[in-house]
Amino acid sequence: NAGVTQTPKFQVLKTGQSMTLQCAQDMNHEYMSWYRQDPGMGLRLIHYSVGAGITDQGEVPNGYNVSRSTTEDFPLRLLSAAPSQTSVYFCASSPFGTGNSPNTGELFFGEGSRLTVL
Amino acid sequence: SQQGEEDPQALSIQEGENATMNCSYKTSINNLQWYRQNSGRGLVHLILIRSNEREKHSGRLRVTLDTSKKSSSLLITASRAADTASYFCATHSGAGSYQLTFGKGTKLSVIP
Repeated sequence: NAGVTQTPKFQVLKTGQSMTLQCAQDMNHEYMSWYRQDPGMGLRLIHYSVGAGITDQGEVPNGYNVSRSTTEDFPLRLLSAAPSQTSVYFCASSPFGTGNSPNTGELFFGEGSRLTVL
Repeated sequence: SQQGEEDPQALSIQEGENATMNCSYKTSINNLQWYRQNSGRGLVHLILIRSNEREKHSGRLRVTLDTSKKSSSLLITASRAADTASYFCATHSGAGSYQLTFGKGTKLSVIP
């Protein structure tokens, strides 16, 4: 199993450009999420999904869009990149979701996508 | 907003010593988890402790939870250079919530 795969690993954008960070998992996990990690701030939740067709906002959703058309994929779209979105982005999945008890909650993380917005 | 706050922010110890990291949180929880992050890598789940548990062990890891004080500690015994990493606590606030909230982490350096 590959686990959680994120692409690209590195990306440089200019202000105003748009792009999509890809996330795929092969563990049949219902729950998927996106976090951003900034120095001194820890990890902050951007968006999450508890199953195909269901998404919801986390702590810092502004400037980002998500969709969940399949169980496996959960892309994160930056609509108009800003320097404040320079960060390392992590996708994470978990076996719990709408059909399961949320008592487990263990997250499986990808290796991260490092984004720089100039 | 950050739910968990780790203490200390950074910790440097000699190989073979024990390392203790603490986490405090603000609201009631369903479970608390600890993760490790090696430099430039993703986070890896270490251990989960539920709100009705007080202590849990996994190999050289020992986690305690005090819900009355809203705090947890992670003890790594007989540390190794390979334990050098950042450690994060994360809280799950309860049934119906699908969010895991992370603290800012403790950076542990184990000197050979």
